[in-house]
Amino acid sequence: TAGITQAPTSQILAAGRSMTLRCTQDMRHNAMYWYRQDLGLGLRLIHYSNTAGTTGKGEVPDGYSVSRANTDDFPLTLASAVPSQTSVYFCASSRTGGVSPLHFGNGTRLTVT
Amino acid sequence: AQTVTQSQPEMSVQEAETVTLSCTYDTSESNYYLFWYKQPPSRQMILVIRQEAYKQQNATENRFSVNFQKAAKSFSLKISDSQLGDTAMYFCALLQGGATNKLIFGTGTLLAVQP
Repeated sequence: TAGITQAPTSQILAAGRSMTLRCTQDMRHNAMYWYRQDLGLGLRLIHYSNTAGTTGKGEVPDGYSVSRANTDDFPLTLASAVPSQTSVYFCASSRTGGVSPLHFGNGTRLTVT
Repeated sequence: AQTVTQSQPEMSVQEAETVTLSCTYDTSESNYYLFWYKQPPSRQMILVIRQEAYKQQNATENRFSVNFQKAAKSFSLKISDSQLGDTAMYFCALLQGGATNKLIFGTGTLLAVQP
């Protein structure tokens, strides 16, 4: 089934450790996004990429980095995790331009202890 | 800056009844799009309905319809004949048109459909 695959599904991470959340899509969408979901705050954009080779900062980019080496993959890296990064992380993709609804992965639940 | 406000953190409705979820937004753009997404307990994000700002006619998808009031910057979702499977978190979202497809979300409304 075409769509977005996120890994891992959940993770417990010690503060100060690094981690990369993986995201792969097979829809050949140009644009990809990382959101974090927190209770009472909705979904907030961390980073985005309009096309392979380019990335941009969203609303809450601090503490996170991304890369977009090819169309399909858009990993999110936490270089030194802190407890405030405990959240559910969603990767999404869309065709750029016009009315292009986002397609979401199933999320990664990350707990930083 | 674009903002989306959902003022109802939680709502409850009886099965088969109708419920309306509120959403207001702010944007300085003339070309934009509005969406409602549903997130059931499975955590999956599901597109429910969308509305183009330039269209005056309210969008409808089966039991789901919107009341789009452009001047008031209001975009409410009406669910008719509520079903138990409608129990979910509902997010209103604003998309600015053009090359940058960045979606701004509201804080969500948790809807419980009671049997």
